[in-house]
Amino acid sequence: ELVLTQSPGTLSLSPGETATLSCRASDSVSERYLTWYQHKPGQAPRLLIYGASSRAPGIPDRFSGSGSGTDFTLTISRLEPEDFAVYYCQHYAGSPTWTFGPGTKVEI
Amino acid sequence: VKLLQSGPGLVRPSQTLSLTCDISGDGVASITAAWNWIRQSPSRGLEWLGRTSYRSGWQNDYGVSVKGRITITPDSSKNQISLQLNSVTPEDTAVYYCARGSYSGNWAYYYGFDVWGQGTTVTVSS
Repeated sequence: ELVLTQSPGTLSLSPGETATLSCRASDSVSERYLTWYQHKPGQAPRLLIYGASSRAPGIPDRFSGSGSGTDFTLTISRLEPEDFAVYYCQHYAGSPTWTFGPGTKVEI
Repeated sequence: VKLLQSGPGLVRPSQTLSLTCDISGDGVASITAAWNWIRQSPSRGLEWLGRTSYRSGWQNDYGVSVKGRITITPDSSKNQISLQLNSVTPEDTAVYYCARGSYSGNWAYYYGFDVWGQGTTVTVSS
């Protein structure tokens, strides 16, 4: 069973700083299915990155994804006030099924 | 593309949770989409429940945690999908979302869950 672990659990930063979020898979996975979402209270999750590094349409270029194998990173440069949210990674876990990480909260 | 969810916010224990997701701007039988149900709760985080998709026929896939209790049904005439979750307990209390999984024409490339419904808060309580 594929398990995604995200760290840190909470990241406390100020606007203008850079956030570096980690997603680690329990087994080596394909970048093809590694996806990142942003989730704010009372809203639906929003797709940020697919294929580990491709930005979804309309996503600002301050959001970037990288990684391969078991280690993936979401970097948010020049944090804006609207970027404070919870971020989840997701991957196809076979069977077929999908699994999400537990999330990283980016707070002021 | 928009997804509009509907359904009751309160379900009694042991009863059936039923939600629908109306699709506009795309077709439920689109060969480049899979239609998913996901839920979120404080205890379980984001949890994928299952999906329906059309590729040379309808195919449904369900998550292990709800397998045996879940049914996802596509309705081409109404362009919607529905979720039924049987024998609910308070552990099924969550915000439920429908979402489109987007693919290339041969499903060789995956573009993420790119469109989400607005979410439905479901409480299981007597």
